[in-house]
Amino acid sequence: QVQLQESGPGLVKPSQTLSLTCTVSGGSISSGYYYWSWIRQPPERGLEWVGYISGIGSTNYNPSLKSRVTMSLDPSKNQFSLKLSSVTSADTAVYYCARGGAPRPGYWGPGTLVTVSS
Amino acid sequence: NFMLTQPHSVSESPGKTVIISCTRSSGSVASNYVQWYQFRPGSSPTTVIYEDKRRPSGVPDRFSGSIDTSSNSASLSISGLKTEDEAEYYCQSFDTNNFLVFGGGTKLTVV
Repeated sequence: QVQLQESGPGLVKPSQTLSLTCTVSGGSISSGYYYWSWIRQPPERGLEWVGYISGIGSTNYNPSLKSRVTMSLDPSKNQFSLKLSSVTSADTAVYYCARGGAPRPGYWGPGTLVTVSS
Repeated sequence: NFMLTQPHSVSESPGKTVIISCTRSSGSVASNYVQWYQFRPGSSPTTVIYEDKRRPSGVPDRFSGSIDTSSNSASLSISGLKTEDEAEYYCQSFDTNNFLVFGGGTKLTVV
């Protein structure tokens, strides 16, 4: 069964770039069939879709974040990544990575908390 | 864009059935598939229903999904409630650009 694990700094300073990686095991990121998503949950709030990247590298980002988001695949490491630039405290959240056979999450990682603070 | 509205919380006794609603504010609920996700503390989130009513392998048949065009809503039904079902549940659908839209989440308490 596929497993996903987020990793990256737990603390990022305002105006800097948040960088997270999702390591995939139990399945190849190069299959081309799947969609690889990022979803976040700010403290005490609901879920917010960040975006997804397909197995062939096409992307779709939340319009409210689009100007600051970049997603990419690294087949050599079986990982995919999220970069979010110019962060503020509003970007503090638990960030989840996920895989789906359609542009929606199927399997999820456990999530990682990223705090934006000086 | 549209919104998905869920009750903030529901509570039911073990062994009973609970239904969680997810109402779409505009556009037809039938126009895009609805998914349901379970968030339990200390565990990775899981998909319990996809494409309105389909259950991933490993999800018990106590979980079922449906849509109702007359109320423009989707529903997640959990029968034979167990304490392990206590969690937060989120519905999700798509807009016309394939952007994901999530409901606000429903906290299910089994007492």
